[in-house]
Amino acid sequence: EAQVTQNPRYLITVTGKKLTVTCSQNMNHEYMSWYRQDPGLGLRQIYYSMNVEVTDKGDVPEGYKVSRKEKRNFPLILESPSPNQTSLYFCASSFPDRREAFFGQGTRLTVV
Amino acid sequence: SQQGEEDPQALSIQEGENATMNCSYKTSINNLQWYRQNSGRGLVHLILIRSNEREKHSGRLRVTLDTSKKSSSLLITASRAADTASYFCATSSSNTGKLIFGQGTTLQVKP
Repeated sequence: EAQVTQNPRYLITVTGKKLTVTCSQNMNHEYMSWYRQDPGLGLRQIYYSMNVEVTDKGDVPEGYKVSRKEKRNFPLILESPSPNQTSLYFCASSFPDRREAFFGQGTRLTVV
Repeated sequence: SQQGEEDPQALSIQEGENATMNCSYKTSINNLQWYRQNSGRGLVHLILIRSNEREKHSGRLRVTLDTSKKSSSLLITASRAADTASYFCATSSSNTGKLIFGQGTTLQVKP
């Protein structure tokens, strides 16, 4: 089954404690991205990757890092989480030729 | 940056009625897509309409696109309680795969 898998689904952590949210897709998509979703602000892109070893900032990259060492994986790293990073995070993947995007089920992160 | 504005922000209808949601955008696009999100879950792709298309159908969904007005509408006919969800339009303006989302319309269908 074609899917994007994120883990964990829920995470509560403390300020400053490094964390990683994993994302994996099984569709051989070149393009992967991370979004955060906040009430009243909609979905905003954090980082994206056009292919292995190619990553770039989205609209709200501050406080986040990503890596793309393999085509299927695109982890999101919060080196020093802060309460303003409390949000619902989505990973998505697609082919970069204008086709539909597939989304993971989301990771609800709370930073206290 | 948010490209799309959706209207209305919230919509409540009775089962069996039609639901219409509108989306406006600002820049030229390659295609416009509609996604559905059940509460707190991932987004699911519904339909894609290319910039050279004016109307597209998929089951009970009908999407129109007016590039001169930079707007699109999503019509759900004969709505069901299971259609209760948030609906987002998203535009693609390049070959990079990047999508820019609207704020979404929350649809409630009462049984």
